[in-house]
Amino acid sequence: KNEVEQSPQNLTAQEGEFITINCSYSVGISALHWLQQHPGGGIVSLFMLSSGKKKHGRLIATINIQEKHSSLHITASHPRDSAVYICAVNFSGGGADGLTFGKGTHLIIQP
Amino acid sequence: KAGVTQTPRYLIKTRGQQVTLSCSPISGHRSVSWYQQTPGQGLQFLFEYFSETQRNKGNFPGRFSGRQFSNSRSEMNVSTLELGDSALYLCASSIQYNEQFFGPGTRLTVL
Repeated sequence: KNEVEQSPQNLTAQEGEFITINCSYSVGISALHWLQQHPGGGIVSLFMLSSGKKKHGRLIATINIQEKHSSLHITASHPRDSAVYICAVNFSGGGADGLTFGKGTHLIIQP
Repeated sequence: KAGVTQTPRYLIKTRGQQVTLSCSPISGHRSVSWYQQTPGQGLQFLFEYFSETQRNKGNFPGRFSGRQFSNSRSEMNVSTLELGDSALYLCASSIQYNEQFFGPGTRLTVL
């Protein structure tokens, strides 16, 4: 069964801390996405990656294809980073299949 | 460039009724995907359309259907509504196999 596992499910940290959220998947993928969802439901795509590492501002996403694992890092965390972070993958090689989602990591950054 | 829009934003229906939700993608995006989000199951893929053709479908009953028009706007329809269909329905658009841009969602409540 094609599965996506995220950890931790919940994370509370203090402002300024370095945050790491992990995602592992069961079989080969064509792409992995990191998404951010704020209360109210809106989803923002943070990264789409199939290899290596991407950086945008204080956010860094890495993927290890051999280990079937990805991490999302937040440096110098801020209360506005509080949100649910969701890992999602395209399992098929063609990329046309829909996304399979992890259950999300609920992040709270306290001032 | 305008983002993905979904209408209506909120909807209340009763069991047995049917509902049609609409999604207008970002201009130039030809792929539209639909997702259902519930507290119990999380985010799940419904179907994806590209150039008016359904390319892939998730594991949902036939009561869930969709279509895409020549201007890339998409609709999804749920017939014979059940209580369990209460959810946030999200659509996302992309150029083809690229980063997905999500709309704000339609929150459907079935009474």
